[in-house]
Amino acid sequence: GAVVSQHPSWVICKSGTSVKIECRSLDFQATTMFWYRQFPKQSLMLMATSNEGSKATYEQGVEKDKFLINHASLTLSTLTVTSAHPEDSSFYICSAGGDGYEQYFGPGTRLTVT
Amino acid sequence: QQQVKQSPQSLIVQKGGISIINCAYENTAFDYFPWYQQFPGKGPALLIAIRPDVSEKKEGRFTISFNKSAKQFSLHIMDSQPGDSATYFCAARDQAGTALIFGKGTTLSVSS
Repeated sequence: GAVVSQHPSWVICKSGTSVKIECRSLDFQATTMFWYRQFPKQSLMLMATSNEGSKATYEQGVEKDKFLINHASLTLSTLTVTSAHPEDSSFYICSAGGDGYEQYFGPGTRLTVT
Repeated sequence: QQQVKQSPQSLIVQKGGISIINCAYENTAFDYFPWYQQFPGKGPALLIAIRPDVSEKKEGRFTISFNKSAKQFSLHIMDSQPGDSATYFCAARDQAGTALIFGKGTTLSVSS
């Protein structure tokens, strides 16, 4: 299957600071990328969908000014958590899809806000 | 409104046994049904997927059974192994480029 990477794999930041998470499709062009959030022992919650070169579409209840998503190329999307607070601590996972139906997930980023 | 209902929430199977996880969906526009396997602290990995034009798909020890009229699909893991212990998610989507709708997950434990 296709490979999707995420960086960093884990990050600890102080409350009030911003954190950027990168998602890259390594061996295919991702026309669409998705960002999910997952709490312990729960399912994946879709945060937003991004298409290369256009603004992301956010799910209801997700603050677009807090979770900034940029999909600047067909292989890179970034999620920036601005003014992070402890309640933003979670496991963030990106996924990428090409022209087909398959969607491949990155390894996830563990964010801890102290 | 949960569009994909997954059961059971947890499952314990003896080594060598068959693990069966079921999912039901509501949206008849769904036409792609994947299963993902997730280990703790890792991202989900695509295991196997099916389109509604076939009733069954098999890849190694993993089989998807699909019942379009009942709007149900299931994952069968044959000869379950301790290494299969993980959380399994079913999902569905209605067209390429849209987000997957996930079930709530099933935690499988295979005892040796």
